[in-house]
Amino acid sequence: GAGVSQSPSNKVTEKGKDVELRCDPISGHTALYWYRQRLGQGLEFLIYFQGNSAPDKSGLPSDRFSAERTGESVSTLTIQRTQQEDSAVYLCASSETSGSSYGYEQYFGPGTRLTVT
Amino acid sequence: KQEVTQIPAALSVPEGENLVLNCSFTDSAIYNLQWFRQDPGKGLTSLLLIQSSQREQTSGRLNASLDKSSGRSTLYIAASQPGDSATYLCAVRQYRGGSEKLVFGKGTKLTVNP
Repeated sequence: GAGVSQSPSNKVTEKGKDVELRCDPISGHTALYWYRQRLGQGLEFLIYFQGNSAPDKSGLPSDRFSAERTGESVSTLTIQRTQQEDSAVYLCASSETSGSSYGYEQYFGPGTRLTVT
Repeated sequence: KQEVTQIPAALSVPEGENLVLNCSFTDSAIYNLQWFRQDPGKGLTSLLLIQSSQREQTSGRLNASLDKSSGRSTLYIAASQPGDSATYLCAVRQYRGGSEKLVFGKGTKLTVNP
């Protein structure tokens, strides 16, 4: 019964480099979400995956951000040409399902703290 | 656009006090509301989830209420302890057009002093 895991836990990168963040959801959870929390700010929705449906990318802040998920497994969030404003904690969450009037809990991973120097 | 507001932004109380954290949201078309706890440098821990059809949920010393029509929720913590010190986040779940997300407030930072 492992929870949501994320790697790396911390990442320091130079401005302009690409980074890749990984999320392993809870087994059997069809829905997966990425959020971002910048210092002193609330959590911002980035992207949502539900099974094999087209993801909702409406929260991605720019075209430098992209995410992939194969089926109901691991997801990767990629940030290209990182900027200092990308520095934040990136949180991943998963839930059993979604798209129904019955709301399932979202379970969060510990996050990846990204620092762009 | 849904907006979630939490008041107060910070709260400091002596150990043993009962306290109430407030959350308000602008769009009542929600499926549920979830309260989380966030400790420094760590992820979010879910405390309570209230479905839109429910009025309250209880877990131990925690009680959360939901008044969907007025767009308000409260988190009541009884007999507070220093270990309750953390940031408490409120989030509403919305489902629109085949997609969904949680919309978060900025949190209330709680300090319980021994």
